[in-house]
Amino acid sequence: DAGVTQSPTHLIKTRGQQVTLRCSPKSGHDTVSWYQQALGQGPQFIFQYYEEEERQRGNFPDRFSGHQFPNYSSELNVNALLLGDSALYLCASSLNGYETQYFGPGTRLLVL
Amino acid sequence: AQSVTQPDIHITVSEGASLELRCNYSYGATPYLFWYVQSPGQGLQLLLKYFSGDTLVQGIKGFEAEFKRSQSSFNLRKPSVHWSDAAEYFCAVGGSGNTGKLIFGQGTTLQVKP
Repeated sequence: DAGVTQSPTHLIKTRGQQVTLRCSPKSGHDTVSWYQQALGQGPQFIFQYYEEEERQRGNFPDRFSGHQFPNYSSELNVNALLLGDSALYLCASSLNGYETQYFGPGTRLLVL
Repeated sequence: AQSVTQPDIHITVSEGASLELRCNYSYGATPYLFWYVQSPGQGLQLLLKYFSGDTLVQGIKGFEAEFKRSQSSFNLRKPSVHWSDAAEYFCAVGGSGNTGKLIFGQGTTLQVKP
């Protein structure tokens, strides 16, 4: 049974560019949440997708957007990248969003 | 405000010694509490969780945690630490009021001396 998968594993971008990160949830899960983890910090909640809609959002600007597909996979898009967007981006999946969240290995984004 | 505090940024213990990592939370509704572990460059692995019922919960790798509502705490314990336990540990709180939003502490880095 495959767990949560994310791609790519690493990414280097320059300021002002746009990036798309991808996540496939654990089998049987229908909800995907995204978190940003800066170096030396705990993860910060970005948003959650359920039934292809954004259900809840954390304190992140509109430059951060997402999408969920009918197969429950999800994308995180970040526009107009800033140096401060450099972080590990974690995807977590769960059932209905009420159950335990299981995390993927993350995508490490470096903005130069 | 909802928050999680892990007072110890870094802890060093000898292999075979006991371990306790502290976690205090502030949450307006009934909390769901979690401990996750993260090895360098990796994602988060769930160690254990508390939703309701018995306040002493058992997890994987020999870890346990005790929920104390009166102290707003959910401390993680292990009777005998192994070198492979060296990692970063995160306490998190969520709840029915927030569905999938987990609030994490800053983490505690555990170093194990041989």
